[in-house]
Amino acid sequence: GENVEQHPSTLSVQEGDSAVIKCTYSDSASNYFPWYKQELGKRPQLIIDIRSNVGEKKDQRIAVTLNKTAKHFSLHITETQPEDSAVYFCAASRGGSQGNLIFGKGTKLSVKP
Amino acid sequence: DAGVTQSPTHLIKTRGQQVTLRCSPKSGHDTVSWYQQALGQGPQFIFQYYEEEERQRGNFPDRFSGHQFPNYSSELNVNALLLGDSALYLCASSFAKGYTFGSGTRLTVV
Repeated sequence: GENVEQHPSTLSVQEGDSAVIKCTYSDSASNYFPWYKQELGKRPQLIIDIRSNVGEKKDQRIAVTLNKTAKHFSLHITETQPEDSAVYFCAASRGGSQGNLIFGKGTKLSVKP
Repeated sequence: DAGVTQSPTHLIKTRGQQVTLRCSPKSGHDTVSWYQQALGQGPQFIFQYYEEEERQRGNFPDRFSGHQFPNYSSELNVNALLLGDSALYLCASSFAKGYTFGSGTRLTVV
């Protein structure tokens, strides 16, 4: 079945620096790749997503890139702020935005003031 | 705009007991999925309901069952609870544009 690997498991950056989180997936039929942010004790929140027919998508300080050939996708956060500190999860689905999501194990991002 | 609501927020059960968790999807959403999130792990897909039918199922035993009602709300039932069932159970609803998650039910099995 589908497997999603995510790294690093922890990431610490200084405020203002960039952060990059990478994921690889095994199922070449996957066509939808969302990223979720989960603060401690709270629900996962969708921050950005990308579909397999797109190579890159940006939303203010957040961007996601997708390399279908290599089967990996990455989250880029620029100008990090302390409120970006959270656990970030990548996921993949072969059923589009309503298919079942296979999640990575998460990256704990700490942004130091 | 009401998001996804889940009840109860916390629950403590004894091994062998049965539990029912409830979810009301976001307004306008007709698809409900359930996920189990163990401590320090990513959510794992349990099953998905659409039009009151189980449409997809993850790798979970038959002890896990569910239901969707005509108003799109959903229940997750777990029978014969094991210690390993202790986790955060997340409900997520969607309508074409990706999932919105509820805040979850924290289940502790003792």
